[in-house]
Amino acid sequence: DGGITQSPKYLFRKEGQNVTLSCEQNLNHDAMYWYRQDPGQGLRLIYYSQIVNDFQKGDIAEGYSVSREKKESFPLTVTSAQKNPTAFYLCASSTGRSTNEKLFFGSGTQLSVL
Amino acid sequence: SQQGEEDPQALSIQEGENATMNCSYKTSINNLQWYRQNSGRGLVHLILIRSNEREKHSGRLRVTLDTSKKSSSLLITASRAADTASYFCATDARGGFKTIFGAGTRLFVKA
Repeated sequence: DGGITQSPKYLFRKEGQNVTLSCEQNLNHDAMYWYRQDPGQGLRLIYYSQIVNDFQKGDIAEGYSVSREKKESFPLTVTSAQKNPTAFYLCASSTGRSTNEKLFFGSGTQLSVL
Repeated sequence: SQQGEEDPQALSIQEGENATMNCSYKTSINNLQWYRQNSGRGLVHLILIRSNEREKHSGRLRVTLDTSKKSSSLLITASRAADTASYFCATDARGGFKTIFGAGTRLFVKA
């Protein structure tokens, strides 16, 4: 089955701790994205990557970091600098051939602060 | 940054009725998309309409786009309880790579 997989489904962070959210895709897509969703709100772009070994900041990148060492993987680290990390995090991918193209989403990770 | 704004924020209807959601945006676009999200899940792509198209259909879905008014509408006909979800429009900015989402319309279909 082709798709995009996020893990874990639920994650808890202690104060001062960094945590990493996993996102893997087997769709052979070049572009990958991380979005944050707060309750009852839309999605806000954290980081995106159009190609391996390259990524750009989105609208709310402060307190987050990413890497894109492999085409199929785009992990997101929520650092201790992110003071309000509780949210639903969504990873997505697309072919990367054009702007605003169809996005394929994972099932999300709910991050909460202990 | 540019963003689509959906209207209404929430909508409650009876099964069998039609549901209409609207999206307005601020700057010129290449295309506009609609997505659906069930509670606690990822988004699922519904339909994409290009800036040179005025109307598009997919099953019970009908999407219109009016670039002069910078607005789009999503019509779900003969709604079902299973259509209960949040619906988001997503836009780009000409020359920009990012996809930007609105805050969504929460649809509740009563059986």
